[in-house]
Amino acid sequence: DAGITQSPRHKVTETGTPVTLRCHQTENHRYMYWYRQDPGHGLRLIHYSYGVKDTDKGEVSDGYSVSRSKTEDFLLTLESATSSQTSVYFCAISGTGEGVYNEQFFGPGTRLTVL
Amino acid sequence: TQLLEQSPQFLSIQEGENLTVYCNSSSVFSSLQWYRQEPGEGPVLLVTVVTGGEVKKLKRLTFQFGDARKDSSLHITAAQPGDTGLYLCAGAISGGSNYKLTFGKGTLLTVNP
Repeated sequence: DAGITQSPRHKVTETGTPVTLRCHQTENHRYMYWYRQDPGHGLRLIHYSYGVKDTDKGEVSDGYSVSRSKTEDFLLTLESATSSQTSVYFCAISGTGEGVYNEQFFGPGTRLTVL
Repeated sequence: TQLLEQSPQFLSIQEGENLTVYCNSSSVFSSLQWYRQEPGEGPVLLVTVVTGGEVKKLKRLTFQFGDARKDSSLHITAAQPGDTGLYLCAGAISGGSNYKLTFGKGTLLTVNP
C-alpha cells in the first residue's frame, strides 16, 4: 500500500472557523490531490499539486486553498468553514505525469462536519 | 456535465450471481481505471486499461476497455459478499492532462450471502 496518511481522520467544527487538513506521503510522488466525496456527486477534485509550491484549481475550488512547501506534505485549508463543506475529504498521490496513464493512490479520508 | 456515466447506480444481488457494471462517456480516454471503495476507506486501484479492446482479468473480475476507448465494463463472476463495495471508474481524457482523472459517480454493489 502507498504510504499516505491524513490528519485528522475526523473533525467537527463550527461555521466560520478555519480548518486545515493535512496529507502526508512517504512515496516521494510528484503529484498530490485533494478530493471531496459527497452522495450523488462522487469524487470531485478540489485542488492538486504538480510539485513543491506548484498548485492549481480543480472543479470545486471555491472556499478552499492549498499549500505544498515540501514534497511529502499537502495542506488543504478552509478559511471560513461553511455547512456546505461538510464532506469526506480524500488525499491522493500519483507518481506518473508522463506517458499514457495515471494511477492514483488514496489516503484513508477525513470526515469533516461543519455545524 | 458528467463526463463518465456509470450504471447501474445501485446493484443488490445474491452470492454466486454474475454481474456487469458499465462506464460510458462521449469522450475518448487515454487510460481508464477501476477502483473499489469499502465503507470508511479510500478507493483502492483494481486495474488500469490503456489499449482499445483490451481485456484484463483479476481473479473473478474481468475488465474491458471499449474499442473506441470511450467506455469500459467490469464483469464479476460468481459474486461473493467480499465483493461488496463502491466501484468507481476514472479516466484520463485523451489530449488532456494525464495527471488529472475524471471519476464516475460509482456503482454501489451489495452481495448478499
